[in-house]
Amino acid sequence: DAKTTQPPSMDCAEGRAANLPCNHSTISGNEYVYWYRQIHSQGPQYIIHGLKNNETNEMASLIITEDRKSSTLILPHATLRDTAVYYCIVREEDTGFQKLVFGTGTRLLVSP
Amino acid sequence: GAVVSQHPSRVICKSGTSVKIECRSLDFQATTMFWYRQFPKQSLMLMATSNEGSKATYEQGVEKDKFLINHASLTLSTLTVTSAHPEDSSFYICSASLQGRRADTQYFGPGTRLTVL
Repeated sequence: DAKTTQPPSMDCAEGRAANLPCNHSTISGNEYVYWYRQIHSQGPQYIIHGLKNNETNEMASLIITEDRKSSTLILPHATLRDTAVYYCIVREEDTGFQKLVFGTGTRLLVSP
Repeated sequence: GAVVSQHPSRVICKSGTSVKIECRSLDFQATTMFWYRQFPKQSLMLMATSNEGSKATYEQGVEKDKFLINHASLTLSTLTVTSAHPEDSSFYICSASLQGRRADTQYFGPGTRLTVL
C-alpha cells in the first residue's frame, strides 16, 4: 500500500470548516483514498472514501487533486465532538485481504 | 453505517490466564474480519486477518499460538489471548469487511480494553 503523510495535529474553532490534508504522492491507479477517525478510547469510525472524483456524504467531503497525489477531508461545520485522530489511508480496491494500514494520523482539536 | 460489536468492552485478568474476545457483525455478513492492537498513544497495528471457515493469516511478529483466532461463522470471530502477561495489556479492536458497490469498506468494533495484572 502507498504511504500517506499527514500533519500530526491541527486546531479548529467550533462551527468553522476543518480542512485536513493528506499527501499520497506514490498512489497507484487502482488505489482508493479512505478516511477514518478515532475518538479517544473508541474503535475507528469510517468517514468517506474515493478513487478520483470528489465525494460528499452526511459527515464530510473528500477533495482529491486531479493528479491524485493529495487529498483533503473537509468537515464543513466542526463541532466539539469532531475532536479525534483522523487517518488517511490508501488501499487497493480488492487485494483479497483488504488490509488497512494505519499511519499516525492527524489529531484534530476543535475548541469552543 | 454497518454495526460491529465486541464483547467484553473491558477485561482485567491475572497473568497466565486466557482471555477470549468476541467480534460480531450485527447487520451484515462478513467473510473477512480483522484484529488490531493499539498501545497507548500509538496507532492501530494489524495483528491478523480472519476468513470464515479457514485459518487466520497473521502479520509478521504476531505469535499465532498466543493469539488464537477462530472465525466460525459469517458474523462471529473470536480472539483468544492465551497465557496473558502484562505486556499483552492493550486495546484490541476488530473490524469486519463489507463489500459494496464501489469498494470494500471496513467497519470497526468499539474495542476491548485488556489489562493483565
